[in-house]
Order: sequence, then C-alpha cells, then structure tokens
Amino acid sequence: DAGVTQSPTHLIKTRGQHVTLRCSPISGHKSVSWYQQVLGQGPQFIFQYYEKEERGRGNFPDRFSARQFPNYSSELNVNALLLGDSALYLCASSLELRTEAFFGQGTRLTVV
Amino acid sequence: GENVEQHPSTLSVQEGDSAVIKCTYSDSASNYFPWYKQELGKRPQLIIDIRSNVGEKKDQRIAVTLNKTAKHFSLHITETQPEDSAVYFCAASSHQAGTALIFGKGTTLSVSS
Repeated sequence: DAGVTQSPTHLIKTRGQHVTLRCSPISGHKSVSWYQQVLGQGPQFIFQYYEKEERGRGNFPDRFSARQFPNYSSELNVNALLLGDSALYLCASSLELRTEAFFGQGTRLTVV
Repeated sequence: GENVEQHPSTLSVQEGDSAVIKCTYSDSASNYFPWYKQELGKRPQLIIDIRSNVGEKKDQRIAVTLNKTAKHFSLHITETQPEDSAVYFCAASSHQAGTALIFGKGTTLSVSS
C-alpha cells in the first residue's frame, strides 16, 4: 500500500515565478494538509482540505493557494515566489479530520 | 491561535540512558498531541500520540504523558539507542485551524554509544 506521495521531489525556481506542488494521499484518506518546513524549524501549517473543501488556513499570504480534487489529491500553488519561500513543503494525509496525519517525503523548493 | 513551545532544543545522552522532551501549549481547546521523529533528509514519522482524555500512553520504549491542567506534555524514551538519534517534534491540534497541527521547533536528540 503506497504512502503519501509528492511531486516533484526537488525544484528550483526564480524569484517572481509561480510553482505548483502535487500530493497524492494514502488510498482512502479524505483529508490533506500542507506544511512549510524551513531548515531547522518545525513544520508550519499552510492549508487543510477535507472532502474538497478548505477547512483551515495558516498565517500565509494570499500568494499561497491550494485545492483538493475529487480523487482527494491536492495541489499547492505559490505565486510571485520570494527567496524566503525556499523550504521543504510537506503534505500530510489523514483518514478523517481528527485522525493521525501521515507525511509525504516533501518537495524541496529552492528560489534563486 | 495555538502556540507550542518545545524544550530542550538539543539533547545529548549516552546509549542506555533515558531522554525526556517537554512541550507546552496555549490553547486549552486542543485535544490531540502527536510526536514525530524526523531523520535527516526524511519525512516526519508519527511515533506516538495522545488524546486529551488520557493521561499517559506507552509503546515499548516510548511513552507520552499529558497534564491538561498545566497544558504540557512530554515524550519519554527509555534505554536509548544510537538509532534514536533524530529531530523530534511535538505538535498540538488547533481547533481554530480545522484540525491542523501546530508544531514545536524540534529537539535534536543525539545518542552516543
């Protein structure tokens, strides 16, 4: 049984560009959350989706957006990239809203 | 919103010793407290969790305790082994952000043989 998968694993972008990160949850899991992890820090919550609806949003600017598809996969979009957006972006899936969260391997985004 | 403080930031122990990591949270409505282990370059992995209706939970060498009144919870690792070396994160579930997790800043545990 596959775990949470994210693509791509690594990405290099230029300031001002936009990026789309993808996440496939564990089969049967209905909730997907996105986190940003800067080196040396704990993951910071960005978005949570459940049954294709946004259920929570962290303290991130409007340049960050996300969506969940009917098959429960999810995309995170970041516009007008800044150097400070360089981080590991983690996706986590949960069976339901209040159950254990399992993380993908992350997408390492570098903005130059 | 929820705020989670984690101490210490680094912890060095000898193999076989016990290690304790402590976290405090601010939102009294939080009711789910997981612990994750993250090895260098890898994903965070859930190692144990506790819900607010339970005071203690054990899984082999790992235990977590929760004090709801004081709003703090701790991770206890007994008989540490070199493979326990990693960064450990505590988290609390924030009701204000759905059920998203608010993480502490992490504790780097080093177990020397």
